[in-house]
Amino acid sequence: NAGVMQNPRHLVRRRGQEARLRCSPMKGHSHVYWYRQLPEEGLKFMVYLQKENIIDESGMPKERFSAEFPKEGPSILRIQQVVRGDSAAYFCASSPPTSGDTQYFGPGTRLTVL
Amino acid sequence: DQQVKQNSPSLSVQEGRISILNCDYTNSMFDYFLWYKKYPAEGPTFLISISSIKDKNEDGRFTVFLNKSAKHLSLHIVPSQPGDSAVYFCAATGGRYTGTASKLTFGTGTRLQVTL
Repeated sequence: NAGVMQNPRHLVRRRGQEARLRCSPMKGHSHVYWYRQLPEEGLKFMVYLQKENIIDESGMPKERFSAEFPKEGPSILRIQQVVRGDSAAYFCASSPPTSGDTQYFGPGTRLTVL
Repeated sequence: DQQVKQNSPSLSVQEGRISILNCDYTNSMFDYFLWYKKYPAEGPTFLISISSIKDKNEDGRFTVFLNKSAKHLSLHIVPSQPGDSAVYFCAATGGRYTGTASKLTFGTGTRLQVTL
């Protein structure tokens, strides 16, 4: 049973470009969460999605950031017009549909904005 | 507002001894607590959890204790091994008994170094 998959593992963008981060949850999991870890900090919740629905986006910056989890395919976190402060590790987690208590994390995407 | 706090940024323990990592929380709505282990450049790995109706949960070398009145939990690792050297994150969520999935709130982590 494959774990949570994220790609790319490393992403370099110049200021003003767009970044797209992908996440495929574990098989059988229908809940997806995105977290961000800034250097020397803990993980901070960004958004929680189920298939085709955003359930909680209270941690997502209001501008430039968006997330989706379509019926088919991976969840995507999109950052438009990236700035240096967006440089961080972005982690995706998934949990089964019955309850969201234990979340299983992917390896992360490390975004560097030049 | 840091709702989950790990006040010790680092801890060094000799191999074979007990490691005790501490975590405090402020939100009374939290009803499920988890510990994750993280190596550099990898994602967090789930270690052990405890629900608010229990005060202890044990899994092999790992035991988590919960003191609800003090809003405090701790992770005990015994005996500690060099492979345990990593950053340990405490996390909490409030959705378990409402049957709804919920976001995790993380502490800032404790870096454990197990020395030979």
